[in-house]
Amino acid sequence: RKEVEQDPGPFNVPEGATVAFNCTYSNSASQSFFWYRQDCRKEPKLLMSVYSSGNEDGRFTAQLNRASQYISLLIRDSKLSDSATYLCVVLTGTALIFGKGTTLSVSS
Amino acid sequence: EAGVAQSPRYKIIEKRQSVAFWCNPISGHATLYWYQQILGQGPKLLIQFQNNGVVDDSQLPKDRFSAERLKGVDSTLKIQPAKLEDSAVYLCASSPGTSPWETQYFGPGTRLLVL
Repeated sequence: RKEVEQDPGPFNVPEGATVAFNCTYSNSASQSFFWYRQDCRKEPKLLMSVYSSGNEDGRFTAQLNRASQYISLLIRDSKLSDSATYLCVVLTGTALIFGKGTTLSVSS
Repeated sequence: EAGVAQSPRYKIIEKRQSVAFWCNPISGHATLYWYQQILGQGPKLLIQFQNNGVVDDSQLPKDRFSAERLKGVDSTLKIQPAKLEDSAVYLCASSPGTSPWETQYFGPGTRLLVL
């Protein structure tokens, strides 16, 4: 089992759609959780941290379920500029473990 | 504030040749990371430095890869000899302190193609 697994992509959605990405992790001792965004041929950038109580940043909502070892990211009212690859990232020990990413393409 | 700088941006070499990458982290950042990102995959940590000491190099193929961070500032990553499977983007990242949950800031990466 891979350490961090994500929904296979790509997700193709129209502007204004709501889209959700899921992620599972294998190590129950993992301490911290993040979503990073990576534009095509660019470097990853932190989108948001994920807290146990769930957290929201504008149109983006992240949820964590430690019991199920499951993380999600919800994007509401998708914009063209949201087109990117979304990487689920888990901190285990001192290292960040990245998932393969899920590609989102938002079209007009 | 200047971001993480990397050079070269692109490199094409033949297998069995050697190559070196350079990284200058954000000024004052204590922790520096090197990642390998193969096409279609997420970044994989190769080595982590805190100041000029190695914290984690468990994923570094030490028979061919080496890295150093002299004086706790910039860093070089070397591959010698290169293999076809080393074709990837090599990303350098830095974070301000020594806590592993701090935000990592990535450089633009060096794209390596091994022929």
